[in-house]
Amino acid sequence: ELKVEQNPLFLSMQEGKNYTIYCNYSTTSDRLYWYRQDPGKSLESLFVLLSNGAVKQEGRLMASLDTKARLSTLHITAAVHDLSATYFCAVDGIQGAQKLVFGQGTRLTINP
Amino acid sequence: DSGVTQTPKHLITATGQRVTLRCSPRSGDLSVYWYQQSLDQGLQFLIQYYNGEERAKGNILERFSAQQFPDLHSELNLSSLELGDSALYFCASSVDRGPYNEQFFGPGTRLTVL
Repeated sequence: ELKVEQNPLFLSMQEGKNYTIYCNYSTTSDRLYWYRQDPGKSLESLFVLLSNGAVKQEGRLMASLDTKARLSTLHITAAVHDLSATYFCAVDGIQGAQKLVFGQGTRLTINP
Repeated sequence: DSGVTQTPKHLITATGQRVTLRCSPRSGDLSVYWYQQSLDQGLQFLIQYYNGEERAKGNILERFSAQQFPDLHSELNLSSLELGDSALYFCASSVDRGPYNEQFFGPGTRLTVL
């Protein structure tokens, strides 16, 4: 059974600091996704990572993928308050199945 | 705005009742997915339909069923509701081809069972 684990689950940080969220998954998968969710809202797609060594950046967020280690990271650079949200990583099921298996989510709070 | 619409936004009902949640995918998307988000279970995949046919099934209870209609909208039916069914139900859609196959999520339906 495919399992996805994130850490930390809660992260409180100050504006201007850097930090990394980790996402480990248990079996080989085709794609890894990062989503953002604001309280009571829907999930917003941030990144889709396909291949080993893939790196994508958007603003202060950068995601990377190491398929050999089954690890993805979401790095936050010089955090700002607007980035406060819950971040989820998700992985496609095996053998091309399209169902997403989500991590527990990391609740990120950025304090001024 | 992802382009995926869901109705209703909120639903309050009693145990034992039956409700129907509706989803319209983005224009051009053939696949619809249903997910349940609750505090204790997190985000869980329920079921996927592709162009009217069931394609994948997840942790969907027997009391729940879904279908996708010829116009590609989908409905999730929840029956014999229990307190534990209270959750946020999301629909997502994708084109289901190409390397990325990104899923775009709707705003969700918050179901409260009293």
